[in-house]
Amino acid sequence: DQQVKQNSPSLSVQEGRISILNCDYTNSMFDYFLWYKKYPAEGPTFLISISSIKDKNEDGRFTVFLNKSAKHLSLHIVPSQPGDSAVYFCAASATGNTGKLIFGQGTTLQVKP
Amino acid sequence: DAGVTQSPTHLIKTRGQQVTLRCSPISGHKSVSWYQQVLGQGPQFIFQYYEKEERGRGNFPDRFSARQFPNYSSELNVNALLLGDSALYLCASSLFRYPPYEQYFGPGTRLTVT
Repeated sequence: DQQVKQNSPSLSVQEGRISILNCDYTNSMFDYFLWYKKYPAEGPTFLISISSIKDKNEDGRFTVFLNKSAKHLSLHIVPSQPGDSAVYFCAASATGNTGKLIFGQGTTLQVKP
Repeated sequence: DAGVTQSPTHLIKTRGQQVTLRCSPISGHKSVSWYQQVLGQGPQFIFQYYEKEERGRGNFPDRFSARQFPNYSSELNVNALLLGDSALYLCASSLFRYPPYEQYFGPGTRLTVT
């Protein structure tokens, strides 16, 4: 039972353009969402998070949007840079769920120069 | 400040053996979580420890166990290794037990079971 889904295994964009990575979830108890970036041979690196009481959170080039009615979140990267090429994971947690993060399968982003 | 550290980096074991993986959290972080990541999938939650007590357990068999020490470092033990235990084992630390919090991951231990 995949509670967090990233339906696009890969995404390719041109440098300077916008990258949009999508994530869907099924558990309505999730109330905190995070995005991680992972390079080969490294652990996931925290990027940005959002609480369910918000619908948008920005941090520099990264913006996360949350649509609770659609159980959908997205990560926007503007402008995209070649160094952004990595695997991106969305993750979700439910309050009281003892800190357990449920991860999606990941989306591989390639930013072409 | 140093990030989350894990040892060893790589490990090769034989089926039926036992393995111990180690993790040191970021200084000041009291929560340590363990995840298993198999190729092509996202990390899967195994355990969370907070203030030296188990606070959460994922859907893993009893062959998996863990503990947290007074200095908040942690060990993950896997007994009776199976081929399917081959994976990247990730440790993550966080300041808090509940959201809002962010978990910071170490580089992982690559376990290969032959």
